[in-house]
Amino acid sequence: NAGVTQTPKFRILKIGQSMTLQCTQDMNHNYMYWYRQDPGMGLKLIYYSVGAGITDKGEVPNGYNVSRSTTEDFPLRLELAAPSQTSVYFCASRGPGVNEKLFFGSGTQLSVL
Amino acid sequence: QKEVEQNSGPLSVPEGAIASLNCTYSDRGSQSFFWYRQYSGKSPELIMSIYSNGDKEDGRFTAQLNKASQYVSLLIRDSQPSDSATYLCAVIGRSGNTPLVFGKGTRLSVIA
Repeated sequence: NAGVTQTPKFRILKIGQSMTLQCTQDMNHNYMYWYRQDPGMGLKLIYYSVGAGITDKGEVPNGYNVSRSTTEDFPLRLELAAPSQTSVYFCASRGPGVNEKLFFGSGTQLSVL
Repeated sequence: QKEVEQNSGPLSVPEGAIASLNCTYSDRGSQSFFWYRQYSGKSPELIMSIYSNGDKEDGRFTAQLNKASQYVSLLIRDSQPSDSATYLCAVIGRSGNTPLVFGKGTRLSVIA
C-alpha cells in the first residue's frame, strides 16, 4: 500500500516557467487536498476536491490550477511561476468521515528563481 | 474565514517536564480536532484526535477539548528530546466536505 505519492521531491523553476506537481493515492479516498507550507508557517490550503470531477478553491489559489479526472490523481499546475510560489507543497487525502485523518505525501520542495 | 490560532513559540521545556500546547478556533460548529507533529523537512503525522469535550489520553499525550471556549490543547508528559518538533493544530468543520484548517504550529524544543 503506497498511500499518497507525490512527485517530484525537489524542483527549481525559473520565473515564468510552468510545471505540474503530481499526486496519486491508492486508498480510494474521495477527499484530496493541496497545501503549501512556507518556512516557519503552518499549512495553507490551495485547492481541494471532494471527488472526481469536483474541485474547489482554498485559501491561496491564485497562480495555481487543479483537475480531478480520476479518484486516484489530483495534479497541481503552476502557471507562470513567481518567487512567491517558493514553498513546500504537500498533497493529502482522507476518507469520508469527519473523524478521518489526513494521509500526507512526502512533499515537494519548489524554488522559483 | 475560519481561523485556527496557535502560539508559534518556540516553547522550551526541560527533559521530563510537561509540555502544554494550546490552540483556539473561530468556527463554533467545528466537529473534529487533530494534533499533528512535524519534524523539520518531513510531512506532518497525526498524533492525537479528539471529538468530544473533555480529555483523551494516549500514552504520554493528552488532548483536551472545550467546545464552549473553542479551545483545544495537547499535553506531553515526560517530554523527551525526540518530542522536539512543530505541533500543528487542525480543525474540521461541521461537514465532512469541509477541508481541515491548520494553525501555524508551535515549535517545541525539549532540552536534555
